[in-house]
Amino acid sequence: AQSVTQLGSHVSVSEGALVLLRCNYSSSVPPYLFWYVQYPNQGLQLLLKYTSAATLVKGINGFEAEFKKSETSFHLTKPSAHMSDAAEYFCAVTMNSGYSTLTFGKGTMLLVSP
Amino acid sequence: DVKVTQSSRYLVKRTGEKVFLECVQDMDHENMFWYRQDPGLGLRLIYFSYDVKMKEKGDIPEGYSVSREKKERFSLILESASTNQTSMYLCASSFGHSYEQYFGPGTRLTVT
Repeated sequence: AQSVTQLGSHVSVSEGALVLLRCNYSSSVPPYLFWYVQYPNQGLQLLLKYTSAATLVKGINGFEAEFKKSETSFHLTKPSAHMSDAAEYFCAVTMNSGYSTLTFGKGTMLLVSP
Repeated sequence: DVKVTQSSRYLVKRTGEKVFLECVQDMDHENMFWYRQDPGLGLRLIYFSYDVKMKEKGDIPEGYSVSREKKERFSLILESASTNQTSMYLCASSFGHSYEQYFGPGTRLTVT
């Protein structure tokens, strides 16, 4: 079965520092991978997605992620954190269910300090 | 822009009550989903629907049912609410074979 592991339930960075949020997946078939962001009291918003084209994917708000098949990873990065990046981030992988369903990780809360 | 709306942002119900959570999308999406979100557990799929009147169980369907009578509307029903169903409920939708899901703002349900 497909699964997603996000390392670290909380990550703290200073404003201007590099953001690195880790995501590892397991999948029996080539996966599609997604990163979503959830701001306080809101639903989830798509940041970026990997759908078997370029392995380096650029998303909104300066975020990007690299698909590494050999490491089964899809880590999310941003060169310079901004206070407005404080939110919860979810990695998701497609399920091999025959339906268009996703399996989500448990989430990583990003805290940005001035 | 795709818009997914949920009937309530906050809801307080008593144990044993029947609870309806409504979700409406305005982009003619075939697929609709109900998740619950709990701290430390991420999003867990309750039920989904890939067509009108069609439904499939997700990972945690116990204690819930769903209804999809119209393409744009997907309802989650708690037949007899219990305190362990206190949670954030998120609705999402997507096109046919697309995996990209669009989410509503969520309903925070408290069962007392």
